[in-house]
Amino acid sequence: DAGITQSPRHKVTETGTPVTLRCHQTENHRYMYWYRQDPGHGLRLIHYSYGVKDTDKGEVSDGYSVSRSKTEDFLLTLESATSSQTSVYFCAISDSYTEAFFGQGTRLTVV
Amino acid sequence: AQSVTQLDSHVSVSEGTPVLLRCNYSSSYSPSLFWYVQHPNKGLQLLLKYTSAATLVKGINGFEAEFKKSETSFHLTKPSAHMSDAAEYFCVVSGSSNTGKLIFGQGTTLQVKP
Repeated sequence: DAGITQSPRHKVTETGTPVTLRCHQTENHRYMYWYRQDPGHGLRLIHYSYGVKDTDKGEVSDGYSVSRSKTEDFLLTLESATSSQTSVYFCAISDSYTEAFFGQGTRLTVV
Repeated sequence: AQSVTQLDSHVSVSEGTPVLLRCNYSSSYSPSLFWYVQHPNKGLQLLLKYTSAATLVKGINGFEAEFKKSETSFHLTKPSAHMSDAAEYFCVVSGSSNTGKLIFGQGTTLQVKP
């Protein structure tokens, strides 16, 4: 399995609080992604990174920001969590424009 | 722009019968296409991929898919379903040649009945 670690794996937080999810890789892959998974929507891209300090928005980026200060870490921040951000978040990595490898997911509940 | 449509949100088959999960794609250039599987409360696992080589692609666990450019389809098949195949399946298209974005379909839940 590709070396991807997401932390935390589960989190419950209150509306309006900031939350940061971390994705750590040991594969030295160039591309990193954050997706959210919701029933009936598949996986939707939030943000992605194509290199250190190089990031761009996906299709559902509102309310989220990201940072990538080094190759191995990609952070997803919810500046002020809302109930609509309750979801399962997946990090993925790839080394080209072909297949990606996924982490185990973070289940986030905003109450 | 790229997009992918999975034509069935839910498919139910009996164990030992064939599986067909349908996927159509839209792409402005020659796409890379993938099928991923997700078992309950698990991450995603790559089943197979098409990257402009052979149009019939064989994957893990007896699955295969055929790329048909004229029909813009990439349907997933398996001759004989097993109980362990019950999962959610995602058809995915590579969104861009320089960013590696993957665009997911909405998913198809496969139920396998004994």
